[in-house]
Amino acid sequence: SQELEQSPQSLIVQEGKNLTINCTSSKTLYGLYWYKQKYGEGLIFLMMLQKGGEEKSHEKITAKLDEKKQQSSLHITASQPSHAGIYLCGADTWNSGNTPLVFGKGTRLSVIA
Amino acid sequence: GAVVSQHPSWVICKSGTSVKIECRSLDFQATTMFWYRQFPKQSLMLMATSNEGSKATYEQGVEKDKFLINHASLTLSTLTVTSAHPEDSSFYICSAGLGEKLFFGSGTQLSVL
Repeated sequence: SQELEQSPQSLIVQEGKNLTINCTSSKTLYGLYWYKQKYGEGLIFLMMLQKGGEEKSHEKITAKLDEKKQQSSLHITASQPSHAGIYLCGADTWNSGNTPLVFGKGTRLSVIA
Repeated sequence: GAVVSQHPSWVICKSGTSVKIECRSLDFQATTMFWYRQFPKQSLMLMATSNEGSKATYEQGVEKDKFLINHASLTLSTLTVTSAHPEDSSFYICSAGLGEKLFFGSGTQLSVL
């Protein structure tokens, strides 16, 4: 079965600093999703990556998928308190909306002033 | 964009009672929906796959008689937690696929007293 390892498990950064969260798969990723969540609330879709070497950016968040499609990183530039939350990566085994995602355990991000 | 609506957002119930959670795809049809559960500080775990017009597929370790899933139409799936106990207290979230993307409901926080 697909397993996703996320690192670090938790992260505390000072406001304005950059940070990176990693997601590593035991198998080839056909689709890799990044979500943000606050516990007890719904998931906020950030980005989806499908192609090896693909990179997407939205505001201050950049996600990359390596050429082998087994590792993805999420980079936040000049972090702000609004970035705080739990970041989850999810893997799509068939690159289809009709299959469930397997999730990593999440990275808890805290941003301090 | 596509919207998945989940209701209620939170519910408190007495031990032994049943609770029904609804998941609706508001502007698209979903033949398949997914139900996840999340305990505090843990990742989302897939519980079951809800299939319109047929029986749900449950993940290993999930009691199908306890977590009743009904997907009677292309826009509605329901999860009923029967005879709820305190250990069923958790965050439940549904998702539905549209094309290559999965969209998530806002989740339901269940507390069983």
